Amino acid sequence: SAVISQKPSRDICQRGTSLTIQCQVDSQVTMMFWYRQQPGQSLTLIATANQGSEATYESGFVIDKFPISRPNLTFSTLTVSNMSPEDSSIYLCSVPGQNEKLFFGSGTQLSVL
Amino acid sequence: DAKTTQPTSMDCAEGRAANLPCNHSTISGNEYVYWYRQIHSQGPQYIIHGLKNNETNEMASLIITEDRKSSTLILPHATLRDTAVYYCIAWAYGQNFVFGPGTRLSVLP
Repeated sequence: SAVISQKPSRDICQRGTSLTIQCQVDSQVTMMFWYRQQPGQSLTLIATANQGSEATYESGFVIDKFPISRPNLTFSTLTVSNMSPEDSSIYLCSVPGQNEKLFFGSGTQLSVL
Repeated sequence: DAKTTQPTSMDCAEGRAANLPCNHSTISGNEYVYWYRQIHSQGPQYIIHGLKNNETNEMASLIITEDRKSSTLILPHATLRDTAVYYCIAWAYGQNFVFGPGTRLSVLP
């Protein structure tokens, strides 16, 4: 299984600021996925990050709000920009592993005041 | 939208088998049935997946009906640590994993 390290594990931020979340994988992967989980809700895919190309965003998510970097095959960052209390969520990165399994990081719990 | 429907919540007595149903009546022939669980704000954990045949691993068993329109995840001896939200997902290569609301399983002492 893939080992995924996600940082920070949690943060409390002020309205209007930005937070960058890091995701490090212990193996090279072509695709990395970023999910959001709002309080009491299920997971929603934000975007797919492929190394060497622009991230592909799902409906309702835009690059200006959630810029993503993918500098190499083991690392990605998601930035939550100009935050508002509505951005308070758990943000998770995930990667595909062997045998068509998807592995998830432990998540970043974000609270925006 | 998720292709699967699950009950919102279920209870199970500790030590008994937990049987979690999932309906996926519009599943395509190349879509697998996956099960994940999420224990309080942690990242989802892979449990098991299958295409047509029943599957068993160290965590659970997956029973898929012959017409593939539904499946059941079985935790043979539920413990308190199995209390979690369980997600059933229909997925094929090239698609995104789409999570529905899942089933909140409470294992009771």
